[in-house]
Amino acid sequence: GQNIDQPTEMTATEGAIVQINCTYQTSGFNGLFWYQQHAGEAPTFLSYNVLDGLEEKGRFSSFLSRSKGYSYLLLKELQMKDSASYLCAVRDRSNNAGNMLTFGGGTRLMVKP
Amino acid sequence: DAGVIQSPRHEVTEMGQEVTLRCKPISGHDYLFWYRQTMMRGLELLIYFNNNVPIDDSGMPEDRFSAKMPNASFSTLKIQPSEPRDSAVYFCASSLELPGTEAFFGQGTRLTVV
Repeated sequence: GQNIDQPTEMTATEGAIVQINCTYQTSGFNGLFWYQQHAGEAPTFLSYNVLDGLEEKGRFSSFLSRSKGYSYLLLKELQMKDSASYLCAVRDRSNNAGNMLTFGGGTRLMVKP
Repeated sequence: DAGVIQSPRHEVTEMGQEVTLRCKPISGHDYLFWYRQTMMRGLELLIYFNNNVPIDDSGMPEDRFSAKMPNASFSTLKIQPSEPRDSAVYFCASSLELPGTEAFFGQGTRLTVV
């Protein structure tokens, strides 16, 4: 099975930088995803990492270390609209027949003026 | 493509009644996932299908829950009988087989069992 941990809540200031960490344990790692979910809405895709290193996409970057079972999502130049939950998800080969996608509990980010 | 389509968007039912949630995945997607989201437990994977075949249903909480995927364009999640603790938002998501491709979520069904 999978064990995915991330902080429950974080608060940051508009214009600042925030880093949301995620640690995971899995037997058949096949990629890590970050999703954003605004209250009352569906999760939407932000980033994907399968190799070690940093992936940058505009104001958002995601980092992965497979040996440490660790990832972070970095949000720069925070805007009020970035207030949302951020979900770390791990894709895992299961039963040699598929790729299950399991989510962490999510980190609720509150951006303050 | 219209994306993943779920119905109904909201469902209120009485305890003991049967509830059926429906999902139409994105055309051509190989995987279909059913998730349940609550404040207490977050987003939990209930079951997922690969090419219409159930691969892992270990997340299905009880025998009251069942899911089917009779063809590539339709899946159902059924709860019979429903209980108040089943109240949650149920999401369906689909994805391609290709590595690195993300799962796309439907808008969810908000289920309230009274």
